[in-house]
Amino acid sequence: GIQVEQSPPDLILQEGANSTLRCNFSDSVNNLQWFHQNPWGQLINLFYIPSGTKQNGRLSATTVATERYSLLYISSSQTTDSGVYFCAVRMDSSYKLIFGSGTRLLVRP
Amino acid sequence: EPEVTQTPSHQVTQMGQEVILRCVPISNHLYFYWYRQILGQKVEFLVSFYNNEISEKSEIFDDQFSVERPDGSNFTLKIRSTKLEDSAMYFCARLDSAGGNEQFFGPGTRLTVL
Repeated sequence: GIQVEQSPPDLILQEGANSTLRCNFSDSVNNLQWFHQNPWGQLINLFYIPSGTKQNGRLSATTVATERYSLLYISSSQTTDSGVYFCAVRMDSSYKLIFGSGTRLLVRP
Repeated sequence: EPEVTQTPSHQVTQMGQEVILRCVPISNHLYFYWYRQILGQKVEFLVSFYNNEISEKSEIFDDQFSVERPDGSNFTLKIRSTKLEDSAMYFCARLDSAGGNEQFFGPGTRLTVL
């Protein structure tokens, strides 16, 4: 089956710093989503981005489907950005999302 | 406003007992999913449910699991005889077909099997 790999697995930032999280996938996909899992365990939708670039405030994402990767950019990080960031993909033949293992982010004040 | 609500938020049960987890969509959607996340691990797909039928299920979704939509609104996941390894967060999700197939997740039910 398709493999979804995220890097780095862990990231520690000082408040105000910028970061880039990466998601690689091993096969063609027609859907890619980025989620933030907050300390209460909730999965918060960040981006639905099967291709192209989107921005939402301090966050932006880019997916290059032909090269099978997506990037999530966090600028001017805040302590509230802490948590786990997951990317998840869906293939043409299915409606299920396949998640990566996540990037655990800690932003220090 | 949550896309779906889930009850209970936390359930503690004894090994071998049956549990029913509930998902209540805010609006009338047809596609629903159950996922689970064992503590510290990634989110895993269990089953998808479309128009009152299972459309896809994973290897995890064995005979001890079942799903139904008994009253046309609530969407339930039943685990017949819980095991210690069933302890996890269980998420219900729905598909936003109007928006291009984005999935939205409920807040989850944390199941603890003792």
